[in-house]
Amino acid sequence: KAGVTQTPRYLIKTRGQQVTLSCSPISGHRSVSWYQQTPGQGLQFLFEYFSETQRNKGNFPGRFSGRQFSNSRSEMNVSTLELGDSALYLCASRTGMSSYEQYFGPGTRLTVT
Amino acid sequence: QQQVKQSPQSLIVQKGGISIINCAYENTAFDYFPWYQQFPGKGPALLIAIRPDVSEKKEGRFTISFNKSAKQFSLHIMDSQPGDSATYFCAAWSTGNQFYFGTGTSLTVIP
Repeated sequence: KAGVTQTPRYLIKTRGQQVTLSCSPISGHRSVSWYQQTPGQGLQFLFEYFSETQRNKGNFPGRFSGRQFSNSRSEMNVSTLELGDSALYLCASRTGMSSYEQYFGPGTRLTVT
Repeated sequence: QQQVKQSPQSLIVQKGGISIINCAYENTAFDYFPWYQQFPGKGPALLIAIRPDVSEKKEGRFTISFNKSAKQFSLHIMDSQPGDSATYFCAAWSTGNQFYFGTGTSLTVIP
């Protein structure tokens, strides 16, 4: 069974631009979570989607948004990029909201210049 | 507010030694405590996990010790190997809620 895939793997953007990251969960997994990973802050939870609905949300500004499609694939969008948004963005999937086994993708490395 | 506090930030251990990483939490509603291992350029991978009704869980060289009254849990890596060099994250979760992660421990095992 294929793992969680994320595209693109690397991205360079300029301040003020917007970016969309994509995540395909493991087949059969309906919950997708997004995390921001930085050296100083560790793994910070952004949001979680299940059945196309946002179920949980972390403490990030409204510039960070996401959505989930009927096939469970998810996208994350960051508008008006800031230098501080440079990070590794990780997607994780699990079968459902009651499942405690979470599997991560390799991440998208975003650099904002 | 950091829901899960992890220490140390970095750890250097000789090959064959024991690596110990500690985590503490406050929210007694947490009912699942996983540990993740992350290699450079990779996403975190689930390593081992424990429920609060068990005081210890062992899988190969990896052991979780759980102290419910102290609200602490730790990862012990026995006979540490250079291949164990990675960043380790503890986490805590309760049904229907998000996962809360520690800030990570960078482990280096010296040959």
